[in-house]
Amino acid sequence: EVQLVESGGGLVQPGGSLRLSCAASGITFSGYWMHWVRQGPGKGLVWVSRIDKDGSSTNYADSVKGRFTISRDDAKNTLYLQLNSLRVEDTAVYYCVRDANGYFDYWGQGNLVTVSS
Amino acid sequence: EIVLTQSPGTLSLSPGERATLSCRASQSLSGSYLAWYQQKPGQAPRLLIYGASSRATGIPDRFSGSGSGTDFTLTISRLEPEDFAVYYCQQYGGSPKTFGQGTKVEI
Repeated sequence: EVQLVESGGGLVQPGGSLRLSCAASGITFSGYWMHWVRQGPGKGLVWVSRIDKDGSSTNYADSVKGRFTISRDDAKNTLYLQLNSLRVEDTAVYYCVRDANGYFDYWGQGNLVTVSS
Repeated sequence: EIVLTQSPGTLSLSPGERATLSCRASQSLSGSYLAWYQQKPGQAPRLLIYGASSRATGIPDRFSGSGSGTDFTLTISRLEPEDFAVYYCQQYGGSPKTFGQGTKVEI
């Protein structure tokens, strides 16, 4: 069975930090670009960050640049997103997704991050 | 950044009817780099269409995509009860990848 399983979300105060993980099973992880996409409460989908096949290149949305860091460990089939200096507006469900060729063919189940005092 | 505008915001239809959803891009998408996703409440999005018109694995043939340039359409030929959901288009011809705001198909 194909699975992307996220973990690490939860409630954090503004200015705090979290690390999200996404463990892949049943699909090929290495050799694919991977992304994080988020969805605020009752809102649409927003691309957050991507990492290339070997982890040598990363990109971020302007809204998270300098605060979030994406990384991967292919030996563990795991993708990460380090979230620092969190703001209330970062509250969202965060999805890890596999990049098939620009579009996203596999999605994790989503992991809720709530930033609130 | 390429902006995608979906219309209508909400589509109210009955099972068995045809649904036509529109996605317009703020600039031409070379290579028809447009995908469609379906999202049901509490679930992750699911890939339906890529390359504007290619169905993803396991997607029923009542779903079809068309269009090029700046105007794209997702058509559901005969709505099944499980098709009532929110649909998003996404472009991958420019950076960053962007999504439309979604169209809700409701009964």
